[in-house]
Amino acid sequence: AQKITQTQPGMFVQEKEAVTLDCTYDTSDQSYGLFWYKQPSSGEMIFLIYQGSYDEQNATEGRYSLNFQKARKSANLVISASQLGDSAMYFCAMRPTPWDSTLTFGKGTMLLVSP
Amino acid sequence: DAEITQSPRHKITETGRQVTLACHQTWNHNNMFWYRQDLGHGLRLIHYSYGVQDTNKGEVSDGYSVSRSNTEDLPLTLESAASSQTSVYFCASSELPGQSTDTQYFGPGTRLTVL
Repeated sequence: AQKITQTQPGMFVQEKEAVTLDCTYDTSDQSYGLFWYKQPSSGEMIFLIYQGSYDEQNATEGRYSLNFQKARKSANLVISASQLGDSAMYFCAMRPTPWDSTLTFGKGTMLLVSP
Repeated sequence: DAEITQSPRHKITETGRQVTLACHQTWNHNNMFWYRQDLGHGLRLIHYSYGVQDTNKGEVSDGYSVSRSNTEDLPLTLESAASSQTSVYFCASSELPGQSTDTQYFGPGTRLTVL
């Protein structure tokens, strides 16, 4: 079974600084997908970024980038130039194979951005 | 705009009652999913469907059922509500079965309290 581990229950960062949220995963599959979602205090789940296991380059979406280290089975989310609106819960998730569309989620990291 | 909606947004019920949570998407997505979110557990998969008449059990399916009679809807039924089913329930959908990206998009969630 797949497992996602987010070891940081909470993180603090000052506005305009960069922050890295850790995610490690465990799978025996070769072709899988990794996702990050943001959940603000309002409760909705917002898709941020995707990385495929065969993608050669790290994914980027605006201020979000994914530091993908396949050999170490890690997929850390990097947020550059943090903003107050980045304060939220962040979840790492994995889709195990291309033909299994379900997601396994980590327990999440709460990020607080201070002025 | 296409979207995914859930109703009701909040529900209080009593132990032993049958409860149905609605999920409706207008993206014409084949895949639909139900997750529950509890403190300390992240999101866990309850049931999912890859098309009309298709349903599958997830990690925490006991006490829940789903049916898929059309593309747009995947209602989740709690046959006999228990206090352990107090949770926030999220519905999600995705478009591309068997494709590497296959991003899931989430509804706003339903907060269910079982007294």
